[in-house]
Amino acid sequence: NAGVTQTPKFQVLKTGQSMTLQCAQDMNHEYMSWYRQDPGMGLRLIHYSVGAGITDQGEVPNGYNVSRSTTEDFPLRLLSAAPSQTSVYFCASSPRLESLSNEQFFGPGTRLTVL
Amino acid sequence: AQKITQTQPGMFVQEKEAVTLDCTYDTSDQSYGLFWYKQPSSGEMIFLIYQGSYDEQNATEGRYSLNFQKARKSANLVISASQLGDSAMYFCAMSSSTGANNLFFGTGTRLTVIP
Repeated sequence: NAGVTQTPKFQVLKTGQSMTLQCAQDMNHEYMSWYRQDPGMGLRLIHYSVGAGITDQGEVPNGYNVSRSTTEDFPLRLLSAAPSQTSVYFCASSPRLESLSNEQFFGPGTRLTVL
Repeated sequence: AQKITQTQPGMFVQEKEAVTLDCTYDTSDQSYGLFWYKQPSSGEMIFLIYQGSYDEQNATEGRYSLNFQKARKSANLVISASQLGDSAMYFCAMSSSTGANNLFFGTGTRLTVIP
């Protein structure tokens, strides 16, 4: 049971390049999400999904796309990277949407630098 | 909208002493959950403790307890008998009945345990 995995761990992009951050979980969780962590700002929600085929925007969705074709995978796409997207990105998952007590399980994070 | 406020950017505590990390929240929802996560220097997010808005008892998990004062909208984390390994960033977060499993995070408090 690997939990939540993210690849890559580190990435450097040039402005305007595109890339996909990968996230996978093997716990059969319905809910998955992407957060970004910037210094002094805590974690902010980018996009989330409540099940395969269903996605929605969070607090800071601009510049990012997501899709959820399977329960296990929830990739985050940067279509045209900008320096403002330099951040640490965390993917998280949790089970059973109807419970407020659902602990979210976080991946190890991806540190992205956009030059 | 939900808002989490952590007013202590940094805290110091002597080893073996207790420390309280402050968290206040704002929400118009009647049903919500409050979480504390620990982020050590290695970067991963570790779930510590959960308190539901309708829970009458304060949550406890080993050396961690949550001092929940609903009328004051505060959810302070108390760490007893601090250890050197407790040095980390601590984040307070909230989920609500209207927000799927989405978490709203505070800006965090950096705790340093002094030997």
